[in-house]
Amino acid sequence: DAKTTQPPSMDCAEGRAANLPCNHSTISGNEYVYWYRQIHSQGPQYIIHGLKNNETNEMASLIITEDRKSSTLILPHATLRDTAVYYCIATPSNTGNQFYFGTGTSLTVIP
Amino acid sequence: DAGITQSPRHKVTETGTPVTLRCHQTENHRYMYWYRQDPGHGLRLIHYSYGVKDTDKGEVSDGYSVSRSKTEDFLLTLESATSSQTSVYFCAIKGQGETQYFGPGTRLLVL
Repeated sequence: DAKTTQPPSMDCAEGRAANLPCNHSTISGNEYVYWYRQIHSQGPQYIIHGLKNNETNEMASLIITEDRKSSTLILPHATLRDTAVYYCIATPSNTGNQFYFGTGTSLTVIP
Repeated sequence: DAGITQSPRHKVTETGTPVTLRCHQTENHRYMYWYRQDPGHGLRLIHYSYGVKDTDKGEVSDGYSVSRSKTEDFLLTLESATSSQTSVYFCAIKGQGETQYFGPGTRLLVL
């Protein structure tokens, strides 16, 4: 599985877009990019995933660069409840593999 | 939350005693996982199961055993608990594609 690199922490003003970057320069062609978040000490919560196209759901948007070496998770209108640790994970498809969680990005949404 | 429950949610035990944690799912998922989470680390895989009586080791399996005698239950046993096994334990199931869904966690303190 490709290693991912994320900044350790970020701040975002409430109501503004939060843009969380992830570098996965060694990603292979069959590896998806997954994003999870963990609020306090709750279980990680699935946000979104993608292979090479940009994806959007009710929670966030995922922008993957054309060369697939990096991606950005966008929370369009951050709220205080979005304060959490965000994890970017690259994993192959159809393998049942474990997810390799790094230490993620701690996002603080500021009132 | 994919119908995942973990029990107990909190446990305090003494060094050398056996401990069993239970993960229960209601949606007949084939793959189930046990992770641990410690400060400064992301989640790390202990063991996983790809079917009834089919299990395999993860990256931090020493000191742990698992059993899966029926689809809905995946048990994690600490054969002789040590202080280094004080951690938060998360169970997960694999849903559609590679997406994993996590339970609420069990906080274990080994004195």
